[in-house]
Amino acid sequence: DVKVTQSSRYLVKRTGEKVFLECVQDMDHENMFWYRQDPGLGLRLIYFSYDVKMKEKGDIPEGYSVSREKKERFSLILESASTNQTSMYLCASRGQGGSYGYTFGSGTRLTVV
Amino acid sequence: QKEVEQNSGPLSVPEGAIASLNCTYSDRGSQSFFWYRQYSGKSPELIMFIYSNGDKEDGRFTAQLNKASQYVSLLIRDSQPSDSATYLCAVRDYGQNFVFGPGTRLSVLP
Repeated sequence: DVKVTQSSRYLVKRTGEKVFLECVQDMDHENMFWYRQDPGLGLRLIYFSYDVKMKEKGDIPEGYSVSREKKERFSLILESASTNQTSMYLCASRGQGGSYGYTFGSGTRLTVV
Repeated sequence: QKEVEQNSGPLSVPEGAIASLNCTYSDRGSQSFFWYRQYSGKSPELIMFIYSNGDKEDGRFTAQLNKASQYVSLLIRDSQPSDSATYLCAVRDYGQNFVFGPGTRLSVLP
């Protein structure tokens, strides 16, 4: 069964901390994505990657960076966590081709205090 | 700015009825269309995709696409309480990214 695994289900961090969210997929997918989901705002794209060492900004990249050193792993980094980054973070991957949907990880609920 | 719109709901239907969920999109270049179901506190899971005009059926689910009207819908026949969730419409253009709608919350009443 296809899997996208996010390293943590719940995280609590302090303001100003550097935070790493890890995502690993076992489907050999080229495309990986980081979203955040907030009530009333829906899913918003933070960053995405089409290939190893490649990254593109999404709609809300400010305050975030990403790393993709290996095809299966896509990391989201909060350089200096702030309370407005408290959210549900969802990683997704997708194969090439029009019929492929996203496969989502189980999500990381991050609280910044 | 590409947009995908859905009624936020909640849409309430009695058990056994047909639930009809609607989605409109702004980009005429959109290529394929996906419906996701998201239970509270869980991540979205793919239930249907469609890319040709017309209907596509999978069990109790039917996706309908009308590209001229820029409209896609999801019908759920014989609705069950376990279908109660938020349904997200997602639209893909020529690239690899999707644009998601805000979701419609469906409540199936026993």
